[in-house]
Amino acid sequence: ILNVEQSPQSLHVQEGDSTNFTCSFPSSNFYALHWYRWETAKSPEALFVMTLNGDEKKKGRISATLNTKEGYSYLYIKGSQPEDSATYLCAFDSGGGADGLTFGKGTHLIIQP
Amino acid sequence: KAGVTQTPRYLIKTRGQQVTLSCSPISGHRSVSWYQQTPGQGLQFLFEYFSETQRNKGNFPGRFSGRQFSNSRSEMNVSTLELGDSALYLCASTDPGLENNEQFFGPGTRLTVL
Repeated sequence: ILNVEQSPQSLHVQEGDSTNFTCSFPSSNFYALHWYRWETAKSPEALFVMTLNGDEKKKGRISATLNTKEGYSYLYIKGSQPEDSATYLCAFDSGGGADGLTFGKGTHLIIQP
Repeated sequence: KAGVTQTPRYLIKTRGQQVTLSCSPISGHRSVSWYQQTPGQGLQFLFEYFSETQRNKGNFPGRFSGRQFSNSRSEMNVSTLELGDSALYLCASTDPGLENNEQFFGPGTRLTVL
């Protein structure tokens, strides 16, 4: 059974502050690491798909890094805004294996005005 | 392009009944995967269909089944419903031509079993 852990489970951040959270995953059979942003009652929205060790991706104020050798990825949000409030999910992808995408339980981010 | 759609969005059933959920992928996507989310749990992989064939299956009992049609639309069926089947069911579509197996999710069907 694959184990994907996300921390912290929830996070309250003041508007304007920067924040980051972690996803840890198995370091073997790695194909990709997916990050999603999920607002209540909406579809999970893909943020990044990361495949290369040391890779860093950026979309606006959000960026992510990847370390496949030690099995972790960080998601950073710079200058948090109320619209960043959501649950952020990471998912381990072994490349079409029997487990599909293996998701963590998410980090629930609340931005306080 | 229209996104992934799922119907119905909400469903209430009683124990012992069966239910069928539907997922229409993004046009051109041939792979559809299904996931279950129960309270306090991450999304759990149910199965994946590609070109009308089940390609992968997660660790769920045989009461959970699915199929895919020639237009790539997929249905999942749960028979003999149990209280623990109450969950949000999400489907995701992708295509081998997409970079890095990027998956696109629908909004989910919220199933309540009474």
